[in-house]
Amino acid sequence: DAGVIQSPRHEVTEMGQEVTLRCKPISGHDYLFWYRQTMMRGLELLIYFNNNVPIDDSGMPEDRFSAKMPNASFSTLKIQPSEPRDSAVYFCASSAEAGGRRGYTFGSGTRLTVV
Amino acid sequence: DQQVKQNSPSLSVQEGRISILNCDYTNSMFDYFLWYKKYPAEGPTFLISISSIKDKNEDGRFTVFLNKSAKHLSLHIVPSQPGDSAVYFCAGKTGNQFYFGTGTSLTVIP
Repeated sequence: DAGVIQSPRHEVTEMGQEVTLRCKPISGHDYLFWYRQTMMRGLELLIYFNNNVPIDDSGMPEDRFSAKMPNASFSTLKIQPSEPRDSAVYFCASSAEAGGRRGYTFGSGTRLTVV
Repeated sequence: DQQVKQNSPSLSVQEGRISILNCDYTNSMFDYFLWYKKYPAEGPTFLISISSIKDKNEDGRFTVFLNKSAKHLSLHIVPSQPGDSAVYFCAGKTGNQFYFGTGTSLTVIP
């Protein structure tokens, strides 16, 4: 089991550019989550999917953020246009159930820097 | 609106001593709490959990205490080891969602 795989590990981009973050969940996990980690707010849930369908996107900061899950093994988080305040570490996580007692399995994250 | 708060951004402890990490929450609907551990350049990994109907859960060197009346939980690590140096997140669960704190960076000094 390779775990949750995220790419790229690091992304540096200029303000105004489009950024796409990618995630491959653990096979068989029906739930996929996107989190953002900042010093001020810790880990914030942005959106989560169940069986490829977005269930709750209330954490998505604004319309510049969008997420898709075209199939059970792939999801993307896109920011267009990017702004310096989007700089953070973005984590993808997956789980066989939502709210399970062992939580979720997280990927290693994508560190995004917008200059 | 931060429902889970970790008011100590960092903590340093001597090897062999006890580490106590604290967490406060505001949402009385939380029915489960988890602690995650995160090393640099890695994702958070599950460490230990506790149901809201219990006041203590122990797993080896790690013990989590829950005080519902105070809306407070703590993680005790005894004895602390250098490999415990990491960022620790607490999280509360209500429904299908976890709400995380901002983390506490623990440094165990050899």
